[in-house]
Amino acid sequence: EIVMTQSPATLSVSPGERATLSCRASQSVRSNLAWYQQKPGQAPRLLIDGASTRATGIPARFSGSGSGTEFTLTISSLQSEDFAVYYCQQYNDWPQLTFGGGTKVEIK
Amino acid sequence: QVQLVQSGAEVRKPGSSVKISCKASGGTPNSPTISWVRQAPGQGLEWMGRIIPMFGTTNYAQKFQGRVTITADKSTSTAYMELRSLTSDDTAVFYCARDVHWALDIWGQGTVVIVSS
Repeated sequence: EIVMTQSPATLSVSPGERATLSCRASQSVRSNLAWYQQKPGQAPRLLIDGASTRATGIPARFSGSGSGTEFTLTISSLQSEDFAVYYCQQYNDWPQLTFGGGTKVEIK
Repeated sequence: QVQLVQSGAEVRKPGSSVKISCKASGGTPNSPTISWVRQAPGQGLEWMGRIIPMFGTTNYAQKFQGRVTITADKSTSTAYMELRSLTSDDTAVFYCARDVHWALDIWGQGTVVIVSS
C-alpha cells in the first residue's frame, strides 16, 4: 500500500499570507494526486487533481505542483474561508486509493 | 449537476451491522461509480471501497475486506454500503462520493453512525 504523509500537521498563517502544504508518497505516484479541502461539519471538496489541475470553480489562489513522491499545495493569499483541513490522495495505485493524514490550516 | 443524497444517522450496538444508502440525481451517467469514505471523530479520511454499477464491479480496501459490502441498484441510481461486525471504532461519518477515477469530485452530505451499547 502506498502511504501518503502530509506535513506539517498544523500550519498557522495570517490572512493574506501564503500557505505551503506538503504531501509525500512512499513510492512514486507520478502525477496521480488530488487535493481536498474540508471545513468543520462539511464534506470534503475537491480542489486539484492531476497534481496541478484546479477543479471546476476553484479560485486561482490555489495551486498544486510536484510529481513522483513530493507534492505541494500552495494557497497564495489566505482568505478567511480557506482556514480548513487539507488532504492529499493518490490514485496511482488504482483501484486502491489512499489519503494523507491531513494538514490543518489555522489562523495565526 | 450530479447530487448525492445519503440516508440519515444510525445508532447500532456492537456486533451488529449498518447499511447506508447514497442516491444520485441529475447528470449522467445515472448510476455513477461511487466510493465510500470513513471519517472517525477528529480523524482523517479512509477510503473503504467502490462500486462501478455499469460493470457490477467492486473494489475494497484491504482494511475493510470481508466486513464491507457495496452494492448498487441501477434502477434507482442508489448505492449502498453495508458494514458488519461493528465496534466502537466504527463510530464515524461515512461519505459516499462520485469516483471519476482520478478523484472523488462530488460528495454526499455524510451519514453519522454511532456504535454504542
